[in-house]
Amino acid sequence: GAVVSQHPSWVICKSGTSVKIECRSLDFQATTMFWYRQFPKQSLMLMATSNEGSKATYEQGVEKDKFLINHASLTLSTLTVTSAHPEDSSFYICSASFPKDRVEKLFFGSGTQLSVL
Amino acid sequence: DAKTTQPTSMDCAEGRAANLPCNHSTISGNEYVYWYRQIHSQGPQYIIHGLKNNETNEMASLIITEDRKSSTLILPHATLRDTAVYYCIVRPTGTASKLTFGTGTRLQVTL
Repeated sequence: GAVVSQHPSWVICKSGTSVKIECRSLDFQATTMFWYRQFPKQSLMLMATSNEGSKATYEQGVEKDKFLINHASLTLSTLTVTSAHPEDSSFYICSASFPKDRVEKLFFGSGTQLSVL
Repeated sequence: DAKTTQPTSMDCAEGRAANLPCNHSTISGNEYVYWYRQIHSQGPQYIIHGLKNNETNEMASLIITEDRKSSTLILPHATLRDTAVYYCIVRPTGTASKLTFGTGTRLQVTL
């Protein structure tokens, strides 16, 4: 299947700092990428939809000023957690849309474990 | 997205077939059934999808009932590495529409 690379795999930061997570589609162009968050023993929760060249669409309850999403190219989307606090500690996962035969599949990155001290 | 209902957990002996059911009684005509799985601390992995016909690939088979209100994912010879949470999702295609994850089925494959 198509490859989605996510970096870093894990990050530890101090409270109040910002953290950037990168999501790349390695062998295809993705006009749309999605960002999810997952707390321990819970399912994935969609945070936002990222469209290349336009503003991201955030799900209800997700603070757009705190979770900055940039999708500057067809192969790269970034999520920046600004002024991180311990409650932002979570597993963040990106996915990219891969259209084939007019039926879309979403492929996922390996995730980023964020721990805020 | 239409909602799906899956059992919370299932066990399966290694080497046996694992049959994971999913109910999606409110599925619309333009919605596909997708299956993903998530192994602990990893991103979800695409398994298979279908519209109304049964589908098979190198990973699994997907059986969809004639009325499309339910489906079954079949792992023909489960191994320990198939231990994961399996998500059944219905989603319209043709556009870049999001995947909404439910709680899934936690499959435990045992010796």
